[in-house]
Amino acid sequence: NAGVTQTPKFRVLKTGQSMTLLCAQDMNHEYMYWYRQDPGMGLRLIHYSVGEGTTAKGEVPDGYNVSRLKKQNFLLGLESAAPSQTSVYFCASGDGIPNYGYTFGSGTRLTVV
Amino acid sequence: QQQVKQSPQSLIVQKGGISIINCAYENTAFDYFPWYQQFPGKGPALLIAIRPDVSEKKEGRFTISFNKSAKQFSLHIMDSQPGDSATYFCAATPNDYKLSFGAGTTVTVRA
Repeated sequence: NAGVTQTPKFRVLKTGQSMTLLCAQDMNHEYMYWYRQDPGMGLRLIHYSVGEGTTAKGEVPDGYNVSRLKKQNFLLGLESAAPSQTSVYFCASGDGIPNYGYTFGSGTRLTVV
Repeated sequence: QQQVKQSPQSLIVQKGGISIINCAYENTAFDYFPWYQQFPGKGPALLIAIRPDVSEKKEGRFTISFNKSAKQFSLHIMDSQPGDSATYFCAATPNDYKLSFGAGTTVTVRA
């Protein structure tokens, strides 16, 4: 099925460990995004990309890095995980035409202990 | 600091009732206002959206009301059904590709 696929779905990390979250979309969308969702905070933009090879900072970029080497993939890295990064992470993609909105993945639940 | 303020945080409505969620913004450059619906364990999905050149948009039981002068917009769910139980997010963007989301409202519809 077409859409946005996130891996892994769940992960537990120890403080200081690193990991990469993978997002893949098969809709040929130009724009891709990483959000985190926390109770009472809504969805906050971490980083985004407006095309292959580009990245930009969102509202809460500290502690995260991203790469978009291929148009269909957008990677989110945590170099040294902290408990404050415990969250649900959502990847989304879009074609820049508002009426079609974003397509979100099903999320990655990350716990940092 | 969230650019879109959403209220209430949660609401409970009886089946057949009306659910109302309100959002307010300050950035006058915002020109596209979508609402997203999220079920537990899933990602958000686009529900309905409006541009500021209209004051109301209706799709089925869902209606967006928009007040440009007050910089407020709201979602009304008419004849609420148990299947409408979800978290709803309002959002806004000035440039068609980067959305700012509200904090979300959890709606529970009691049968």
